[in-house]
Amino acid sequence: GENVEQHPSTLSVQEGDSAVIKCTYSDSASNYFPWYKQELGKGPQLIIDIRSNVGEKKDQRIAVTLNKTAKHFSLHITETQPEDSAVYFCAASKNTGFQKLVFGTGTRLLVSP
Amino acid sequence: GAVVSQHPSRVICKSGTSVKIECRSLDFQATTMFWYRQFPKQSLMLMATSNEGSKATYEQGVEKDKFLINHASLTLSTLTVTSAHPEDSSFYICSAKPGQTNEKLFFGSGTQLSVL
Repeated sequence: GENVEQHPSTLSVQEGDSAVIKCTYSDSASNYFPWYKQELGKGPQLIIDIRSNVGEKKDQRIAVTLNKTAKHFSLHITETQPEDSAVYFCAASKNTGFQKLVFGTGTRLLVSP
Repeated sequence: GAVVSQHPSRVICKSGTSVKIECRSLDFQATTMFWYRQFPKQSLMLMATSNEGSKATYEQGVEKDKFLINHASLTLSTLTVTSAHPEDSSFYICSAKPGQTNEKLFFGSGTQLSVL
């Protein structure tokens, strides 16, 4: 089955810096890659997603890139703010069956003022 | 985005009792809902896939008689933890997809279960 690895597990940056989180997946049939932000004691919130027919997608300060050949995708956050501090999860799914999402292990991002 | 409501947000119960958690899609119909479990500082582990009008599909290692799932309507799925024990204490999160062909998955706010 699909296996998603995520790095780093923790990331500390200064306010205004950029943050990059990377994920790799194992199943070449996976074609949908969302990113979720989870704050303490809350459910994950979808922040951006990308499909395999697209190499890059941007939404204001957040961008995601996908390299299908290498089977990895990354989340880029620019001009980080303290409110960006949270745990970020990447995930992957393929267009078969129930399209179950397989999650990465999470990255705890801390943005210091 | 689509809104998924989960209730209760927190529950404390005695060992041996059963607890029901509700998951509702508020502004869309969800043929499929998913139930996850999350331990502190860990990732989300899929427990089961809930389909409206049919039996749930459980992941390997998840006891179906322990975690009863009912998806009686297109907007409501429930998870009942039966005869709860302290090891069942965890953060349970539901999610739903607005449409069978739409990959986007939206999550509820989670339920923190503590079994004494």
